[in-house]
Amino acid sequence: QKEVEQDPGPLSVPEGAIVSLNCTYSNSAFQYFMWYRQYSRKGPELLMYTYSSGNKEDGRFTAQVDKSSKYISLFIRDSQPSDSATYLCAMTKAGGTSYGKLTFGQGTILTVHP
Amino acid sequence: DTAVSQTPKYLVTQMGNDKSIKCEQNLGHDTMYWYKQDSKKFLKIMFSYNNKELIINETVPNRFSPKSPDKAHLNLHINSLELGDSAVYFCASSQGFGSTDTQYFGPGTRLTVL
Repeated sequence: QKEVEQDPGPLSVPEGAIVSLNCTYSNSAFQYFMWYRQYSRKGPELLMYTYSSGNKEDGRFTAQVDKSSKYISLFIRDSQPSDSATYLCAMTKAGGTSYGKLTFGQGTILTVHP
Repeated sequence: DTAVSQTPKYLVTQMGNDKSIKCEQNLGHDTMYWYKQDSKKFLKIMFSYNNKELIINETVPNRFSPKSPDKAHLNLHINSLELGDSAVYFCASSQGFGSTDTQYFGPGTRLTVL
């Protein structure tokens, strides 16, 4: 069983829809959680970063963390065709023990059609 | 001005050959990484260097040897290439290797082994 599970999709939604992307994890040592966006044939880029349980909002994006359930989510409101990409969740342990090691989910392929 | 660059972008080669991929970052970061992304988009860390010293060495065959001539460069040499080495290899860099240090990814090198 992988440490981080993410539904690979693909997910296809109409423009303007609310998108929900999710990851579950098994290692309770994970304390920092990230969402990366990867456009086709490009490298991943950091979209959002959270630490504590709860919600964090940035424009149309909301990241949600529930450490008790080992579950994280990314919500995209008013989705746009430009949001079409692969979304990867990533997580890491706290402090120096991580040495920067990110553990990624498999990535969810999202297509937003006009 | 590309922050993290990789060469070549595409690499097609025969089984058994030896090849190298180069990575350079102009962000002034101290830490650099190599990741492998398989055909299912699963991204997994291979190596990490901080100030030219190896700090992460995941379970990777000995055929893979990273080399960091200076803080701005991290190269990946692969000996005796196998079919299973076909993947996209991403270089990344971050200021430090703490949990909160954002990793910036290069555009990737698509390796195809025939």
